[in-house]
Amino acid sequence: DAKTTQPPSMDCAEGRAANLPCNHSTISGNEYVYWYRQIHSQGPQYIIHGLKNNETNEMASLIITEDRKSSTLILPHATLRDTAVYYCIVRPNSGNTPLVFGKGTRLSVIA
Amino acid sequence: DTGVSQDPRHKITKRGQNVTFRCDPISEHNRLYWYRQTLGQGPEFLTYFQNEAQLEKSRLLSDRFSAERPKGSFSTLEIQRTEQGDSAMYLCASSSRSTGTMYDRYTFGSGTRLTVV
Repeated sequence: DAKTTQPPSMDCAEGRAANLPCNHSTISGNEYVYWYRQIHSQGPQYIIHGLKNNETNEMASLIITEDRKSSTLILPHATLRDTAVYYCIVRPNSGNTPLVFGKGTRLSVIA
Repeated sequence: DTGVSQDPRHKITKRGQNVTFRCDPISEHNRLYWYRQTLGQGPEFLTYFQNEAQLEKSRLLSDRFSAERPKGSFSTLEIQRTEQGDSAMYLCASSSRSTGTMYDRYTFGSGTRLTVV
């Protein structure tokens, strides 16, 4: 059973920021929020993860609300190559629980 | 490091035949995972290994499925007496526990697409 809720699809204009929301209202205190994406015909790719603080890396930023019940993945300047399915996953920090994927959000970046 | 390799990329088989897929993980990764993905769905967990030990199996992994990881290196996933419902993308991933942290980042292969006719 997926612990997250994501919109099935979103569009974004090339060069603009893509903001992908995720609801995880039942998240536990020891669960991290992970984001992966899957480009067509490839395996999923790790993007970023966080516990409660906002995180940024070379690919994206992750904004987690103070109550941790939702988060937003931000791709600051979307390109056509960012077109993919984006998965938001919550997982305990023990590392012993395999990642459980939902259906994700299909992001289409439009020229 | 060439990433996670899966072989073959595509497999077409007749119903009732046995098939075997191979996964070569990133060499220093001690964990290896198998997932299955059907059209329009996210990947579904099947099983995972830590070194050569198979630590968890999903209820999706019927008796016709078996996975091995001899010597904790490459892994094989065998499906016996294939059925049309086995048609899917089979994904392999590997990971290692980062020093000082309690998380794993998975590196996925490009998958093996199985079609059962």
